[in-house]
Parts: sequence; structure tokens; C-alpha cells
Amino acid sequence: AQRVTQPEKLLSVFKGAPVELKCNYSYSGSPELFWYVQYSRQRLQLLLRHISRESIKGFTADLNKGETSFHLKKPFAQEEDSAMYYCAPRLDQGAQKLVFGQGTRLTINP
Amino acid sequence: DGGITQSPKYLFRKEGQNVTLSCEQNLNHDAMYWYRQDPGQGLRLIYYSQIVNDFQKGDIAEGYSVSREKKESFPLTVTSAQKNPTAFYLCASRPGQGGHHEQYFGPGTRLTVT
Repeated sequence: AQRVTQPEKLLSVFKGAPVELKCNYSYSGSPELFWYVQYSRQRLQLLLRHISRESIKGFTADLNKGETSFHLKKPFAQEEDSAMYYCAPRLDQGAQKLVFGQGTRLTINP
Repeated sequence: DGGITQSPKYLFRKEGQNVTLSCEQNLNHDAMYWYRQDPGQGLRLIYYSQIVNDFQKGDIAEGYSVSREKKESFPLTVTSAQKNPTAFYLCASRPGQGGHHEQYFGPGTRLTVT
């Protein structure tokens, strides 16, 4: 059963426009959620985690338990945001592993 | 960079041969993971290890084997039984202490089997 879904494989927006990368998960409890990013020719790295409630590179992500979503948002996209983004929740309390979504390739057009 | 290293960056093998991918970390992390990354499928977990001399199968363990004889090393063997071994392989580690669950990734190894 699919437990985390990123519905958009590809997303293209213009520079300066708002961007939202969607992530939905299947879990009735309280997950621990992460967004990872992979820039061209760089290794996969943590972008942000929901428990920190922080903004990294202008990105934020709010956990919506009612909709079981953890969408990643940025009000004004920049060209350097072009990358592959993965939503990765830890869905079970005792789990020692993350479940990665299929990823969304974000392209920011000049 | 540094911390987690994978070698080699590119690896080529003939069908029917076993091949071992290296993953080393000097972060003193307890847990280590192996994923394969395929276009359109995201990251899929192959094996993971929480402590030395212990490991568990992930979602796609068939055709793979691992060992964890040392804390800093978690090699992955792709056996001839793996039906579709050509892929990009990622190794990761995490502290395993204090409830930290974010993982730190290596640069990856691209394996091509012909």
C-alpha cells in the first residue's frame, strides 16, 4: 500500500512565483516528517523537518494532520531552487526507517 | 563533504557476476541504510542496520546481501539473482541516539550491468 504520495513528478514554475510541492501520507498517528532535496551533481540532503518548525532557504512545510499532508511551500521561487525534492516521513512510532515518496522534480524557469 | 563515502562512483559489471558496493562513514553513526534510486520511483530501501552485526531487510531485499562487521562500514553485494541491478545506489547513516531520525547520505554509486 502506498504510504506516502507526491502526486507531481514534474513541476515547473517561473522565477518569483509561489511554489508548492505536495506530499500526502497514510498514517493515523503522529508522524515525524522530513523534506530532502537533491540539487544537480550534489548528494541528497535534508532540507527541513517539521518538528523544527523552521524555514530553510525560504521553504516552509506545515503538517496538516486532518488532511494527512506535509506540503512544501515557498512564496517566491528562485532559479537555484531547481532540484529533486523528496518527502520522507517516519510513519510508525517504533520505526527506525523513513519512507520516501517518489519525488518531484522542480524546475524554476527564468 | 566527507563523513559518508561510497566507492566507486561508477561501476560496470557483466550479467551473472556478483558485485560489492562500499559504504564507509566516520560520523560514529549507529544506523546505516542502503537505497536504490530509479527514475520515477524515488528511493526504495534495500537493507538497513541499527547496530553492528545486525541488519534487517527493507522493501526490496531480494537479490542483495549486506554485512555489518564494523560500525563504520556497511557493504552491499548485488548478486546475480537481482533481476534488474542497473541503478543508482545510495548509502545513508543516522546517529541512532537521542531520537534523531534524519539520515545523512553518501554521494552514490551508479551500477551498470550489461
